[in-house]
Amino acid sequence: GDSVTQMEGPVTLSEEACLTINCTYTATGYPSLFWYVQYPGEGLQLLLKATKADDKGSNKGFEATYRKETTSFHLEKGSVQVSDSAVYFCALLGGNFNKFYFGSGTKLNVKP
Amino acid sequence: NAGVTQTPKFRILKIGQSMTLQCTQDMNHNYMYWYRQDPGMGLKLIYYSVGAGITDKGEVPNGYNVSRSTTEDFPLRLELAAPSQTSVYFCASSDGTTHNEQFFGPGTRLTVL
Repeated sequence: GDSVTQMEGPVTLSEEACLTINCTYTATGYPSLFWYVQYPGEGLQLLLKATKADDKGSNKGFEATYRKETTSFHLEKGSVQVSDSAVYFCALLGGNFNKFYFGSGTKLNVKP
Repeated sequence: NAGVTQTPKFRILKIGQSMTLQCTQDMNHNYMYWYRQDPGMGLKLIYYSVGAGITDKGEVPNGYNVSRSTTEDFPLRLELAAPSQTSVYFCASSDGTTHNEQFFGPGTRLTVL
């Protein structure tokens, strides 16, 4: 069945460091891929998405490229800020009744 | 638009008590979902609905019930609360079209003692 695997955290970085959070997926057909962010005490918010192979989603300096050949959708940012501290979830939208499959989340801590 | 709203924000229950978590969306979305998020874990799907009058089980439905009498509302019922149901519960909705994301409510933090 469909599933998402993302790197375990927590990830701790200094401000202005580069970020990569790995995400790989297993799916039948052609899923859409998403990154959601959860700030402390809040619900999940959509960060970016990509709907077909080779698409690049981007928002707030974050980006991720839909790689069909490696079944990956890694999240990257060139220079993180303290305000980026949050939990990041990779997700897949399968074709079965609009079901979403979420990864386990990666907590990012950015220190000043 | 308020988006997806959930009540209450916090609740403490005693073992064996029952309660209903409320979820309402004002985006006219057909699809609605209930998830639970245990500490340090990802989201697990409890129940979902593809439209008024239609509901189906997700990954972890035991101990819960849902109903969908209107497009806007999707309440989650806990009949006999157990400590294992201590979690944060998120409601979400989507319009069901291909490629479109889910919109999440702020969550309900439930503790069962």
